[in-house]
Amino acid sequence: EAQVTQNPRYLITVTGKKLTVTCSQNMNHEYMSWYRQDPGLGLRQIYYSMNVEVTDKGDVPEGYKVSRKEKRNFPLILESPSPNQTSLYFCASRGLAGIRSEQFFGPGTRLTVL
Amino acid sequence: GENVEQHPSTLSVQEGDSAVIKCTYSDSASNYFPWYKQELGKRPQLIIDIRSNVGEKKDQRIAVTLNKTAKHFSLHITETQPEDSAVYFCAAPEGYSSASKIIFGSGTRLSIRP
Repeated sequence: EAQVTQNPRYLITVTGKKLTVTCSQNMNHEYMSWYRQDPGLGLRQIYYSMNVEVTDKGDVPEGYKVSRKEKRNFPLILESPSPNQTSLYFCASRGLAGIRSEQFFGPGTRLTVL
Repeated sequence: GENVEQHPSTLSVQEGDSAVIKCTYSDSASNYFPWYKQELGKRPQLIIDIRSNVGEKKDQRIAVTLNKTAKHFSLHITETQPEDSAVYFCAAPEGYSSASKIIFGSGTRLSIRP
């Protein structure tokens, strides 16, 4: 089954404790991205990657890191989480062939930073 | 860069009536306009999209219209049903490349009254 997976689905942590949210897709998609969803603000892109070893900042990259060592994986790293990073996070992927292709989202990770 | 504005932020309609959600965009090079539906506690999923070379597209009870001159596009849901209750997001790319970043509107929470 074609899908995007994320782990963990829920996470409660404390300020300053490094964490990683994993993301994996099995559709051989080149493009992967991370979004955060906050009430009234829609989906804002944090980082994106157009292929292995190619990453770039989105609209709200401060406090986050990513890596793309393999095509299927795109982990999101919070080196020193702060309460303002409490949010719902979605990983997404899509292919780059053709004019446009559907973007598939992971199930989401609800993060609470105390 | 691209700016996508979405209205209204909340919408309540009687079951069986129609619902219309409107979005405007700023980048005249945008050529693809997807709509996503996010049910409570779930991930956003693509429900319909339209490319810039057509003015309207229908899929059963859902339709999307595009006015490139005015830079706005709308989602129309006819004969609404309880399962249409969700948050809907419009989106537009920043530029015309297949690798362009997708910018999302802030979302519309649609409620269907029985």
